[in-house]
This record gives sequence, structure tokens and C-alpha cells, in this order.
Amino acid sequence: DAGVIQSPRHEVTEMGQEVTLRCKPISGHNSLFWYRQTMMRGLELLIYFNNNVPIDDSGMPEDRFSAKMPNASFSTLKIQPSEPRDSAVYFCASSLVGTSNEQFFGPGTRLTVL
Amino acid sequence: GQQLNQSPQSMFIQEGEDVSMNCTSSSIFNTWLWYKQDPGEGPVLLIALYKAGELTSNGRLTAQFGITRKDSFLNISASIPSDVGIYFCAGQKSGAGSYQLTFGKGTKLSVIP
Repeated sequence: DAGVIQSPRHEVTEMGQEVTLRCKPISGHNSLFWYRQTMMRGLELLIYFNNNVPIDDSGMPEDRFSAKMPNASFSTLKIQPSEPRDSAVYFCASSLVGTSNEQFFGPGTRLTVL
Repeated sequence: GQQLNQSPQSMFIQEGEDVSMNCTSSSIFNTWLWYKQDPGEGPVLLIALYKAGELTSNGRLTAQFGITRKDSFLNISASIPSDVGIYFCAGQKSGAGSYQLTFGKGTKLSVIP
């Protein structure tokens, strides 16, 4: 069975550009989490969805960040406009809440904003 | 917010040696998870612990859920070069709709052949 799929794996963009990161959770999972990882701050939870509904977005840095989950098999994280301090690795994870608390991570998207 | 203190921050060991790392928190968690992250990859779940006092093994890995529910440790026996990576603990306070994980800062393990 396929794990969590993220695209692109690498993204290099210029400051001010819009960036869209994509995630396909594990089939059958009902919760999806977006994380950001940096050397300084480690793994930070940005937002998570349960049954496609955003539950907690308190980790989203600012209004430039937005996330959607239009259906159970797809989510996007958008940054507009991007800034150099947004450079990080962004992970998506999914889990089957109610059965297990275990979260399974995708391979991540390494974002570089010049 | 919740804080997980993970130690040591990094360690260098000889191949064949045993390794021990731990996480402590000021908060009580209902679940403890241990992940390993290889360079350029996402964290991979190693062990999940659900009950205070629980001791669980996965091959050469053993992890325990502390009795106070505020700590957990991970042991790796007879380390090998492929054990190199960053190990993260994560705690979860499940409750009314809350499924968030709080992560430690990680323990970077280097194994000298």
C-alpha cells in the first residue's frame, strides 16, 4: 500500500512567488497534518484536519499561509507571497484517529525561497 | 505550550555499543511515539506506546512508557551503521478532538564503524 505522497519533493522559488505544496494521505486515514521542519525550531505542527475539516490552525505562521482539504485524498498548503524565512522542509502526515494515534509521514517537500 | 525535553542532543558511539536516549515532559501524555529520520526523508515510526509502564520491543529497539506518563526512553542494542539518523520522541494528549503530537528536538546518532 502506498504511503503518504507529497509533491513536489523540491521547490526553489523567488521571494514574492506563490508556492503550493500537495499531499495525498494514506487511503482510509481520516486525519491529515502539515508540519514544518527547520534546524532552529525542529518539527512544528502548522495545521491539521479531521474528516477534511480544519481542527486547529494555530500553528500557521501568518496569513500568508493557507491550507485546504477538498476531499479525503488530497490536501494543499499554499504560501502567498513566499519569503526567504519560509525556507524549510514541509511534511504531511496522516493517521486513522479513533483506531490509532500513530502518524505516518510523507517524504517531505524541501522549499527554498531565494 | 507543551515542551518535550529530549536528550542527549547528539551522540557518537562505536558500532556494537548500546544506545539510550530519553524524553521528559512537564505534562502527562497518553501516548508516546518514537520516530527515526534519515537524511532527506520523513520521520518513520519505530515504536508506539499506549500504557504507563509499557515496555515494547521492535528488533534491537526497546522503548518504555514511564510510570508517571511524563517520560519515555528508547534503547538500541548492538548498534550498527544503519542506525545512524535522528531519533525523535513525540507525545500525544488525546482528548476531545485533540490528536496533535508534540515532538522533541531529536537525538542525532552517529555510529563509528
